[in-house]
Amino acid sequence: GAGVSQSPSNKVTEKGKDVELRCDPISGHTALYWYRQSLGQGLEFLIYFQGNSAPDKSGLPSDRFSAERTGGSVSTLTIQRTQQEDSAVYLCASSSWGAGQSREQFFGPGTRLTVL
Amino acid sequence: GNSVTQMEGPVTLSEEAFLTINCTYTATGYPSLFWYVQYPGEGLQLLLKATKADDKGSNKGFEATYRKETTSFHLEKGSVQVSDSAVYFCALIPTGNQFYFGTGTSLTVIP
Repeated sequence: GAGVSQSPSNKVTEKGKDVELRCDPISGHTALYWYRQSLGQGLEFLIYFQGNSAPDKSGLPSDRFSAERTGGSVSTLTIQRTQQEDSAVYLCASSSWGAGQSREQFFGPGTRLTVL
Repeated sequence: GNSVTQMEGPVTLSEEAFLTINCTYTATGYPSLFWYVQYPGEGLQLLLKATKADDKGSNKGFEATYRKETTSFHLEKGSVQVSDSAVYFCALIPTGNQFYFGTGTSLTVIP
């Protein structure tokens, strides 16, 4: 597709269960970001991937959160033992890097996670 | 460090009113500055950007000028429409890799 896609669009889970959220970036974009947007809040940076470099995990709120990016393309954000405070919209964005690139981020529609 | 401070909302305006949403930043080096917009039920999308001092970004009647002397990037529009109702985010990317977003300002335009 032409844009960033995320799946599922909505996820309802029970407290204590694990969830996986998927992001398909724009083809050719080497940078991929995950953010969390809680109700009425701004964007909270979670993790950043750039090419084959080690990811910047500085925004992950706890060790229950992890993410991987396979083959430099698709990324999966995993939340283990979900808690109610994990309820939020999880946004993925990608951008292209290189000489002359603007680094503009293109966002996916998000996954709305509800932990009961 | 790097950060973005954005005017708190919510903001409610009548149609055709003048809009200003303030944004100031702290950053190392020479950052690029952005405004993103999130319409109801949609994802974030880039509204405008400026990559160096004194640049003016503009799109859909919105403008913002990169003011290095005041470290500001205020968003303005001369005459808002109901369709401009959305949440607006100011953001910067310094010389590193990570984007920094403001907390967002909700705008409601009433007919």
